[in-house]
Amino acid sequence: EAGVAQSPRYKIIEKRQSVAFWCNPISGHATLYWYQQILGQGPKLLIQFQNNGVVDDSQLPKDRFSAERLKGVDSTLKIQPAKLEDSAVYLCASSLSGGSNQPQHFGDGTRLSIL
Amino acid sequence: AQKVTQAQTEISVVEKEDVTLDCVYETRDTTYYLFWYKQPPSGELVFLIRRNSFDEQNEISGRYSWNFQKSTSSFNFTITASQVVDSAVYFCALSEEYGNKLVFGAGTILRVKS
Repeated sequence: EAGVAQSPRYKIIEKRQSVAFWCNPISGHATLYWYQQILGQGPKLLIQFQNNGVVDDSQLPKDRFSAERLKGVDSTLKIQPAKLEDSAVYLCASSLSGGSNQPQHFGDGTRLSIL
Repeated sequence: AQKVTQAQTEISVVEKEDVTLDCVYETRDTTYYLFWYKQPPSGELVFLIRRNSFDEQNEISGRYSWNFQKSTSSFNFTITASQVVDSAVYFCALSEEYGNKLVFGAGTILRVKS
């Protein structure tokens, strides 16, 4: 089965610019997650969708970050305006359902560098 | 609040040595799930194993084995006869009973030299 697809693979922007990332989960997976992984740290959950509804966005900096999953399949994560501290790898993951026993399957990530 | 601690920042071994990666967790839930993921240089997180809090049996899969001890809140991972391809960052993670929110440790960098 095809894995989680993410694009772009790399992105370099200047601070205060905007950027968007795209994710296509594994077919049939109802739950989609966006994580931020800062260099040298473990991934941190930003937002979790169940179909097209938000389950958890408690750690999403809502003043600059937004995400949507309009048709319950693909998702986009946007940052506007970007800050230097947003430099990180943004990982998308999906799971069959939102149950805690479900393993999450990750994409390759988008490496974002802010100049 | 849940927390995962991987005290070993980096480990270097020579090929064919055995190596154990430590993971200690904190949670107030009685039902929870523990995971190990591997992150090779390509960046993708690869799922290795899931354990639920009621199953303390150790598990072996080829050269990999996992030791879950509730009494010490630990879920350690051993690679037997390590190989260069095992070089990666390994993450331990915890999710509590509801929500499937994974909390990751900081990761352990494993370098296997030939």
